[in-house]
Amino acid sequence: LAKTTQPISMDSYEGQEVNITCSHNNIATNDYITWYQQFPSQGPRFIIQGYKTKVTNEVASLFIPADRKSSTLSLPRVSLSDTAVYYCLVGGVYNFNKFYFGSGTKLNVKP
Amino acid sequence: EAQVTQNPRYLITVTGKKLTVTCSQNMNHEYMSWYRQDPGLGLRQIYYSMNVEVTDKGDVPEGYKVSRKEKRNFPLILESPSPNQTSLYFCASSLGQTAIAGDTQYFGPGTRLTVL
Repeated sequence: LAKTTQPISMDSYEGQEVNITCSHNNIATNDYITWYQQFPSQGPRFIIQGYKTKVTNEVASLFIPADRKSSTLSLPRVSLSDTAVYYCLVGGVYNFNKFYFGSGTKLNVKP
Repeated sequence: EAQVTQNPRYLITVTGKKLTVTCSQNMNHEYMSWYRQDPGLGLRQIYYSMNVEVTDKGDVPEGYKVSRKEKRNFPLILESPSPNQTSLYFCASSLGQTAIAGDTQYFGPGTRLTVL
């Protein structure tokens, strides 16, 4: 199961774009990359998932380089309500039975 | 509404008194899992279940039991709770083997357990 490395914390200001990078050097061919968001005392919530190149949805974009050994979650124009912990997970159809969340990245958005 | 429910949401108990935290999902998901979350340690997987009657240990299974008799329910059992099991517990479910791509988990609201 591929483990991940993320920065422990990041600070930003309202209205800025925030990019959180995750390193996953031993990602397997069948692995997908998934990002979750967690607010205090709540369960994690799915944000976005991708396999390669770029994926965009209504809340975020996910950039994955060709070697797939890292990925970057991009949050456009953050607000105070985006203050949360963000987790990067790597796994796929063939090795999804165990999930490793790690400690995540604590994003603090300031006014 | 598609959801994962847990009960109770809050529980204070004493050492050695057996307890069960229930988890139920209404999404017909194959896969279910339990996590505990402690300050500075992130989410750690306790047990998971690929489908009915199939369960396996996660990273921190000691002191816990689970059962999966029905697809929708996955209770977490603490036979003899100890203070080091004081934590915030989350249940989650997902498509599992029925997923055609990367799987995504849906989490319950959490159960905050205090063992005195």
